[in-house]
Amino acid sequence: QVQLQQSGPGLVKPSETLSLTCAISGDSVSSNSVTWNWIRQSPSRGLEWLGRTYYRSTWYHTYAESVKSRVTIKSDTSKNQFSLHLDSVTPEDTAVYFCARVNLGTFDYWGQGTLVTVSS
Amino acid sequence: QSALTQPPSASGSPGQSVTISCTGTSGDIGDYNYVSWYQQHPGKAPKVLIYEVSKRPSGVPDRFSGSKSGNTASLTVSGLQAEDEADYYCIAYAVISTLYVFGTGTKVTVL
Repeated sequence: QVQLQQSGPGLVKPSETLSLTCAISGDSVSSNSVTWNWIRQSPSRGLEWLGRTYYRSTWYHTYAESVKSRVTIKSDTSKNQFSLHLDSVTPEDTAVYFCARVNLGTFDYWGQGTLVTVSS
Repeated sequence: QSALTQPPSASGSPGQSVTISCTGTSGDIGDYNYVSWYQQHPGKAPKVLIYEVSKRPSGVPDRFSGSKSGNTASLTVSGLQAEDEADYYCIAYAVISTLYVFGTGTKVTVL
């Protein structure tokens, strides 16, 4: 059974970097058949896909156009986890952030969600 | 890429059926069969109910069914039960711009 466990701060100051980690159990971050994704959800923007990382003999990263200039997703094979880093946050980045595994176009496993508030 | 359009709300009495639509474009729902449906209860992560338009993961009751016609996908919940009261979202693969587009969400109320 795949489980995703999220960790990271719930409060970030404006202009700083939001960083969250998603620890994987029951699968491998370097699996060559799935991708590892970050999604956020807010009342104003709904659900929004942010980006993904995946391994196919080498590492690939794909980011949503809306956050492409500010986002980085990293993978850590030694800890079997991946992380989200969103720079220069503003109050508009306040949302619940989820990590999720995507298998053949389906978001089949999700983390528990982390509410991140951007406020001074 | 614009969000997929869903009705904000739907409702039905226990035992009845409710159908939720999800309208996209030829660049997402119309072109690919990677349409999935999710149920989300308050404070919880979404849970997949339907994948690849009409397939059900193991453990999901057959009361949930999916279909697609042109640029619109649909989720039908038959034999409504109290625990079906939740928010429902569709997600579609869209190769242009952003890889995945999400529905606007539908709140289902069991009367």
